Amino acid sequence: GQQLNQSPQSMFIQEGEDVSMNCTSSSIFNTWLWYKQEPGEGPVLLIALYKAGELTSNGRLTAQFGITRKDSFLNISASIPSDVGIYFCAGQMYNNNDMRFGAGTRLTVKP
Amino acid sequence: NAGVMQNPRHLVRRRGQEARLRCSPMKGHSHVYWYRQLPEEGLKFMVYLQKENIIDESGMPKERFSAEFPKEGPSILRIQQVVRGDSAAYFCASSPRQGANNEQFFGPGTRLTVL
Repeated sequence: GQQLNQSPQSMFIQEGEDVSMNCTSSSIFNTWLWYKQEPGEGPVLLIALYKAGELTSNGRLTAQFGITRKDSFLNISASIPSDVGIYFCAGQMYNNNDMRFGAGTRLTVKP
Repeated sequence: NAGVMQNPRHLVRRRGQEARLRCSPMKGHSHVYWYRQLPEEGLKFMVYLQKENIIDESGMPKERFSAEFPKEGPSILRIQQVVRGDSAAYFCASSPRQGANNEQFFGPGTRLTVL
């Protein structure tokens, strides 16, 4: 099955710093999604990407769908303490019913 | 506009008992997905259902696990004769359609602990 490799596994940064994380896959996906999960809660959708090369922003978050369709990155600019959480990438193939998730990037922001 | 609802939020069972997890999708969504998450890991797909139909159960263990989404009422994930290895967070997601451009919205999860 498709494998998603997400990195880094964890990040410890100072408030105000920018953050970058990425996902790569051995297979091609038609949709890339980025979710954030906080303790005790379900994942919340941050950004959805549908076209190769697409660059989409949501406030301080920016994500891109790689040209090869095998990768995606998420950037967070000017981090704040409430950015703390686990960020997951997820990929979906056309007409596939399930999403494949990366293992997550655990973000800690020090005030 | 309520989101995806799951209950119970926490469930404790002894080995050999049955666990029933319920999921009510978002209003207007007729597609439901179940995922399992072990600590420190991502979510793993289990099963995809539409009303009264199981569409894809390729991620679900062949024994003890079953799922349904009846015409009326919530979707149910049922685990019979639970074992300690079933302890995990189980998440339900719903979407208005399948295939491309399919955004899935997640519930808060049910945390199952098997003693």
